[in-house]
Formats: sequence, C-alpha cells, structure tokens
Amino acid sequence: DVKVTQSSRYLVKRTGEKVFLECVQDMDHENMFWYRQDPGLGLRLIYFSYDVKMKEKGDIPEGYSVSREKKERFSLILESASTNQTSMYLCATISGTRGYTFGSGTRLTVV
Amino acid sequence: QQQVKQSPQSLIVQKGGISIINCAYENTAFDYFPWYQQFPGKGPALLIAIRPDVSEKKEGRFTISFNKSAKQFSLHIMDSQPGDSATYFCAGISGGSYIPTFGRGTSLIVHP
Repeated sequence: DVKVTQSSRYLVKRTGEKVFLECVQDMDHENMFWYRQDPGLGLRLIYFSYDVKMKEKGDIPEGYSVSREKKERFSLILESASTNQTSMYLCATISGTRGYTFGSGTRLTVV
Repeated sequence: QQQVKQSPQSLIVQKGGISIINCAYENTAFDYFPWYQQFPGKGPALLIAIRPDVSEKKEGRFTISFNKSAKQFSLHIMDSQPGDSATYFCAGISGGSYIPTFGRGTSLIVHP
C-alpha cells in the first residue's frame, strides 16, 4: 500500500511568513493533491499535480502555490501566510482504482 | 455550489445502535461513490465504495444503500461501537475523473 508522509504535524507561523508544507509518497504515483480541511466546510481542493513540474488549480488556489520537482514530492507554498489560512492541510495520492490515500495532515496556525 | 450534500453534520448514537449518514448528489455523471472515515489526528481513509449499477454494498457492519433515481446514497453502520467515532465523508466521482466531490462531513460520536 502507498504511504503518504507529511513532514510536519503541527506548525505555527507568523503573518506574512513564507510557509512550505512538504508531502512525500513512496509508490511513484503520478497524481498528488493538496486539500485543506475546515470544520463545516469539509475537504477543499487547493492544487493537484499529475506529473513532475505539472500543476493544476483546484477549487481554492488563491494565496497558494505548489512545486513538484520530483515525482515523489509535492510541496504546498503559502507565499505570505495570513490568519485565514489557519487550517488542517492534507496531502493525498491515488491508490487502488479511484480511491485516495491521505497523509496524516499538517495543522497550521498562523498568528 | 455544493454538488454533494451530506447530512447530518453531527450524529450521536448509543453503542449497539444504527448510525445513518445520508448524501444527495446533483451530478448525474458521477459513477463512483466512496466513503471515507477520518479519526482524530489522522487523514481520511477509504472505507467503502459503490458504483451506481448496484443498490447496496455491505462490508462487515458497514453498508452503502444507493438510490439512483433519487440521486441519494447513505452509509449505515450497524451495531455502532465507540471505535466507530470519527468523521465520515461521502463523495462522488465522475466517469473518467479521479477527483472526488466531497460532502462536508459528518462527525459521529458513539457513546459507550
């Protein structure tokens, strides 16, 4: 089974800082995704990538960018963190037929 | 635009009871309907999924019921246990796609 690892479980950053959230998968999958999870709003897709150096905007890309230099690694970048980006961030890849395997998440607090 | 409406937002059930979570969808192009289970501090994990050519799928205590004409599907957890306490997400995926449209989630608490 594929394993998705997010490097940080908890992060606290200051407003205006540049923030990097890292995600690594171990099965050489092409597709990788970044979601944010907020109470009452569910899972919202920020960006996804279907290959190295390829990226597509999801439903809420504003304020975020991504980087995929290697197939196993997909980074989410907050160029200038704001308090409304305080959230749980989840990375995922495709596993099996059409299911996702998620990482354990990074809970980001912007103060 | 919420294409998958999930209810209730929260649910409290006694141990041994039946938990029922409902979802309704609008997109008739959906052809795969997964459910995810998320424990606190963990990412969601695929629990069970159904295709619209069947009306029911059962795996252990978990059953999906699917009503294509009504564009509704539901998750039933029989003999609910405290270990089932989690957040549950339904989703729909269009044919040829791999990106789910998620419902907003249901927080289930099963009291011992």
